[in-house]
Amino acid sequence: DGGITQSPKYLFRKEGQNVTLSCEQNLNHDAMYWYRQDPGQGLRLIYYSQIVNDFQKGDIAEGYSVSREKKESFPLTVTSAQKNPTAFYLCASSIRDGGTGLREQYFGPGTRLTVT
Amino acid sequence: DAKTTQPPSMDCAEGRAANLPCNHSTISGNEYVYWYRQIHSQGPQYIIHGLKNNETNEMASLIITEDRKSSTLILPHATLRDTAVYYCIVRVTEYNFNKFYFGSGTKLNVKP
Repeated sequence: DGGITQSPKYLFRKEGQNVTLSCEQNLNHDAMYWYRQDPGQGLRLIYYSQIVNDFQKGDIAEGYSVSREKKESFPLTVTSAQKNPTAFYLCASSIRDGGTGLREQYFGPGTRLTVT
Repeated sequence: DAKTTQPPSMDCAEGRAANLPCNHSTISGNEYVYWYRQIHSQGPQYIIHGLKNNETNEMASLIITEDRKSSTLILPHATLRDTAVYYCIVRVTEYNFNKFYFGSGTKLNVKP
């Protein structure tokens, strides 16, 4: 089955610790994204990557870092500099195409991070 | 910068049509309208998208006004499983790359 895997589903950390969230896809998609969702809110874009070894900041990149060493993987590190890290984190992927047609994003199941 | 406006919540009776409105008055000519839904604590699920013409698939219909400043998602026969938050999203293509701007969505409550 093709899809996006995020692990773990729930993650707990102490304040001041960095934590890395996993995102893997086997859809052969070039583009990958990380979003953050707070309770009752929509999704906000943290980082995105169009191809391997390239990534761009989204709207709320401060306190986060990413890497894209492999096409299938796009891990997100929540650093201690992120002032309010507790949130629901969603990873997505899509075909990289600026043209017309069906280019929707496929989402993973999410990781709920709690920092105390 | 969500680019879309939706009512925060709506109710619908099971078996009836659910009509979810969305305003996107600043939409540009090459920006697509997408609809996703999110069932509690899961990743969003794609429903449908369109540019100018009305669209229909096995899940829903999308009606876009002629001036493209608003659209309506129609679930023809809502079931309890359709209870979710529905997001109307404008897809922007920048430098040959698609970005999606999610707003707060509409919480659809389907009631028996």
